[in-house]
Amino acid sequence: SQQGEEDPQALSIQEGENATMNCSYKTSINNLQWYRQNSGRGLVHLILIRSNEREKHSGRLRVTLDTSKKSSSLLITASRAADTASYFCATAHGETSGSRLTFGEGTQLTVNP
Amino acid sequence: ETGVTQSPTHLIKTRGQQVTLRCSSQSGHNTVSWYQQALGQGPQFIFQYYREEENGRGNFPPRFSGLQFPNYSSELNVNALELDDSALYLCASSLAGWGPREQFFGPGTRLTVL
Repeated sequence: SQQGEEDPQALSIQEGENATMNCSYKTSINNLQWYRQNSGRGLVHLILIRSNEREKHSGRLRVTLDTSKKSSSLLITASRAADTASYFCATAHGETSGSRLTFGEGTQLTVNP
Repeated sequence: ETGVTQSPTHLIKTRGQQVTLRCSSQSGHNTVSWYQQALGQGPQFIFQYYREEENGRGNFPPRFSGLQFPNYSSELNVNALELDDSALYLCASSLAGWGPREQFFGPGTRLTVL
């Protein structure tokens, strides 16, 4: 079963706007990761945030993590048409890097030119 | 490009048949995980291989089996195919070690069961 739920399921915005996607999960985690998927192909790792971190930045991406609420958000600033993709959060529960990832259902982001 | 390759890209099978999917991990990575992604859903963990041994399994029946070879490449075998096995199958490689690390995904194999 899926660990997380993502909100919204679909998001459509104009180029230049910011996009915010949310993820909730059910059990305690070691870290949470965000991935991007274009057109049903492979997933690309975007950012990883550890359970003892609250916020992390990478370029136009900002991720927050609230372990008390078991939730995370991904903010993409100044969106571009090329950001159109599905975005998934994934939780990891083990201490080692090989631990399984439990994915949410994903958010389909459409950025209109 | 992550350096993880999968073959074939697409595959069509009929119910009851058997299928083998292949994955070559990124250079230096010793752990391979397999995921099933049904249309419109997130990937679900099937199992993971580390140093040629199964190292964790998700909620999949025994007809899903796998292998990892000394060069860390891997196979996913599915016997007695069912219509619900139609999905994108993703493999991901990583380097086992202490501390969280990203997994590197291949482009996937799209399996259609008729």
